Amino acid sequence: SQTIHQWPATLVQPVGSPLSLECTVEGTSNPNLYWYRQAAGRGLQLLFYSVGIGQISSEVPQNLSASRPQDRQFILSSKKLLLSDSGFYLCAWSARANGYTFGSGTRLTVV
Amino acid sequence: AQSVSQHNHHVILSEAASLELGCNYSYGGTVNLFWYVQYPGQHLQLLLKYFSGDPLVKGIKGFEAEFIKSKFSFNLRKPSVQWSDTAEYFCAAASGGSYIPTFGRGTSLIVHP
Repeated sequence: SQTIHQWPATLVQPVGSPLSLECTVEGTSNPNLYWYRQAAGRGLQLLFYSVGIGQISSEVPQNLSASRPQDRQFILSSKKLLLSDSGFYLCAWSARANGYTFGSGTRLTVV
Repeated sequence: AQSVSQHNHHVILSEAASLELGCNYSYGGTVNLFWYVQYPGQHLQLLLKYFSGDPLVKGIKGFEAEFIKSKFSFNLRKPSVQWSDTAEYFCAAASGGSYIPTFGRGTSLIVHP
């Protein structure tokens, strides 16, 4: 069966430090992968999506970047975190829009 | 731009009350529609989805949703809510053939025992 792993679950980082959040999917090949940010009362904001290795589309210009070095690995990064980067980050995968399965999320607090 | 609107941001009900959460989308063509639920401290889970066929979709835990094309709506319903239904509910839509879903802002449901 397909599973999605996201880590870490919580992270506290100082302003200006780098960031790397990792997401991996098991049990499927060539998934579509997504990074979302969830803010209270504002729903889910799509940050990046990828339909294949090395293919990244950005939905919102910001301080973050994403990479897909392997078929089932999706990484969210930042070179220098801002206070406004604090939030709850969710990774998700889908197979040709057939529903989206979400990871357990990472609570990032930038201090 | 494509959008999904959830009209009720906060809903408070007593157990056994009926529930209807509104969802409207702005896509003009074929559309795939979803409802997700996030229980406190847990991650998002798919409640139900509509791709084609019968516009009345049955999901898990007694939830159902009706796709009304003329109204661009996909409202979520449950005839009798339970305390355990307390959660945040998200409606999402993706235009047919698109890989990118757009989510609504979410509705926070609190059910009092």
